[in-house]
Amino acid sequence: DGGITQSPKYLFRKEGQNVTLSCEQNLNHDAMYWYRQDPGQGLRLIYYSQIVNDFQKGDIAEGYSVSREKKESFPLTVTSAQKNPTAFYLCASSRRDIQETQYFGPGTRLLVL
Amino acid sequence: GENVEQHPSTLSVQEGDSAVIKCTYSDSASNYFPWYKQELGKGPQLIIDIRSNVGEKKDQRIAVTLNKTAKHFSLHITETQPEDSAVYFCAADTGRRALTFGSGTRLQVQP
Repeated sequence: DGGITQSPKYLFRKEGQNVTLSCEQNLNHDAMYWYRQDPGQGLRLIYYSQIVNDFQKGDIAEGYSVSREKKESFPLTVTSAQKNPTAFYLCASSRRDIQETQYFGPGTRLLVL
Repeated sequence: GENVEQHPSTLSVQEGDSAVIKCTYSDSASNYFPWYKQELGKGPQLIIDIRSNVGEKKDQRIAVTLNKTAKHFSLHITETQPEDSAVYFCAADTGRRALTFGSGTRLQVQP
């Protein structure tokens, strides 16, 4: 898991509620990523950020939002517009100069009540 | 966009045997191909990677081969051990500087 922390480990969401997942890294990495993993499937990219105050949509950004106000932090908000949010959410980071090498956090499991 | 296909989805081997997992990709511009191991309830961990300027890379019992012409790459694990049991993912980089992942292979090593 390196120097990437995610919290909480488990999160429960009620219908119509927005929830925010935390991701922090102390690796001095420039780039950060959010992925969604459904049971028995691969990882799908939600959002990524290559530098502070800038981020781009991935393949499944609808219903999610992010911010990148600090280099160390890349929180993900799951909004009420995301109709099927139950999944395992993984945050990753990488150095800008070898950007492709990504290191992952331990993940947050989101469940809908 | 990039598409990465991974086979097989499950693989069962006897301890000491070899295991091979194969991936194909669609974007000829891809040039970085990592492999990750994921244990239950945890985040993926990088185990080996290869770049397009080499055809093979080894790290102890693990090796990866790359055929750019055919657009496929493979993970080879020799002398498998029970602790190798996990889900393995291949991935390829895209022009957006993000990774596209395969669907995963669940490897079970029988003692």
